[in-house]
Amino acid sequence: DVKVTQSSRYLVKRTGEKVFLECVQDMDHENMFWYRQDPGLGLRLIYFSYDVKMKEKGDIPEGYSVSREKKERFSLILESASTSQTSMYLCASSSRYRGRYQPQHFGDGTRLSIL
Amino acid sequence: GDSVTQMEGPVTLSEEAFLTINCTYTATGYPSLFWYVQYPGEGLQLLLKATKADDKGSNKGFEATYRKETTSFHLEKGSVQVSDSAVYFCALRSKGANSKLTFGKGITLSVRP
Repeated sequence: DVKVTQSSRYLVKRTGEKVFLECVQDMDHENMFWYRQDPGLGLRLIYFSYDVKMKEKGDIPEGYSVSREKKERFSLILESASTSQTSMYLCASSSRYRGRYQPQHFGDGTRLSIL
Repeated sequence: GDSVTQMEGPVTLSEEAFLTINCTYTATGYPSLFWYVQYPGEGLQLLLKATKADDKGSNKGFEATYRKETTSFHLEKGSVQVSDSAVYFCALRSKGANSKLTFGKGITLSVRP
């Protein structure tokens, strides 16, 4: 079974702090994603990556950056946390098989509160 | 751009009731369609998928049929259980959009004994 592990289930930080959310997958997947989940808004894509050191902006990248130095790890960075970034953050990964994209596998999420 | 519209929630049903959750989409070409489920305190899990028109995805008693003519992918189950209580998300992936998914807003299902 694919395992996507997010480093923290709950995190509380203060406004202005630099925050790191870590995600690790154990299936050698090429693609990794960061979403935020908010009530009534569903999941919105923040950033994604198709390979090591590659990244692309999703639908709501403002206020975030990412890092992918190793294939299995994808980090989401809040450069200067704000209360509007209080949310549930979900990491996902997927692979390509014979040219077809396979379904995404999700971690359990990190509930981040910015005070 | 791509979009997914789910019916408004939440939905509360009694055990063994019939379930329908509506999902319609807007996309260019012929996207792949998915239903994901999120149980309390967990991440999303793929429930079922369909990759072309008239395909039927099924899993755990749930079914959804890819209807190109109505651009819909409604989720159904004949007899729900308390353990089906969760949030359900409809999603699509357009052809040529790499592996990006577009999600609906999700709907919370509560099943009472």
